[in-house]
Amino acid sequence: AQSVTQPDIHITVSEGASLELRCNYSYGATPYLFWYVQSPGQGLQLLLKYFSGDTLVQGIKGFEAEFKRSQSSFNLRKPSVHWSDAAEYFCAVGGYQKVTFGIGTKLQVIP
Amino acid sequence: GAGVSQSPSNKVTEKGKDVELRCDPISGHTALYWYRQSLGQGLEFLIYFQGNSAPDKSGLPSDRFSAERTGGSVSTLTIQRTQQEDSAVYLCASSLTMIGGGELFFGEGSRLTVL
Repeated sequence: AQSVTQPDIHITVSEGASLELRCNYSYGATPYLFWYVQSPGQGLQLLLKYFSGDTLVQGIKGFEAEFKRSQSSFNLRKPSVHWSDAAEYFCAVGGYQKVTFGIGTKLQVIP
Repeated sequence: GAGVSQSPSNKVTEKGKDVELRCDPISGHTALYWYRQSLGQGLEFLIYFQGNSAPDKSGLPSDRFSAERTGGSVSTLTIQRTQQEDSAVYLCASSLTMIGGGELFFGEGSRLTVL
């Protein structure tokens, strides 16, 4: 069965600091991996996705993520966080059919 | 429409009543998903449709939950004899393709409160 683990439920960073959100997945074959963001009062929006090819993928809003097969990880990074990045971030794994989401990481940005 | 539309956006009901939640996917999207989002629980997969068929109903919490999709478009999630633990935001998403799940486009959700 496919699953996603996001070990950090809540993270606080200072504006301008770097960010890394962790994601580990379990899937029996090459996975399709996603990061979604849910801003307060808004729906979920796709940040980036990995299907194949280059293991470092670029997304919107300056985010990137790196697929590491050996570690079953797909961590999300941003070099410099902005106050508007405060939101909840969901990692997801898709197989040939359904997409399974992690529990989410809530990001707080302090001035 | 331009995006995924869900109705009602908010629903307050009494315990034991039935509720219907509706989802209008993006035109042309063959895959449709229902998720439930509860506080601290992330997105819980309920069911997905490929066309009008539902190959995987494993996520439905109990036999009080059912869903259908007609014409490869609109989907309805029905909860019978609602319980307080059914209170959550129910999210619908559609996707152009099933392969890899595709990119999911989410609606704003239907917030259900069971008193």
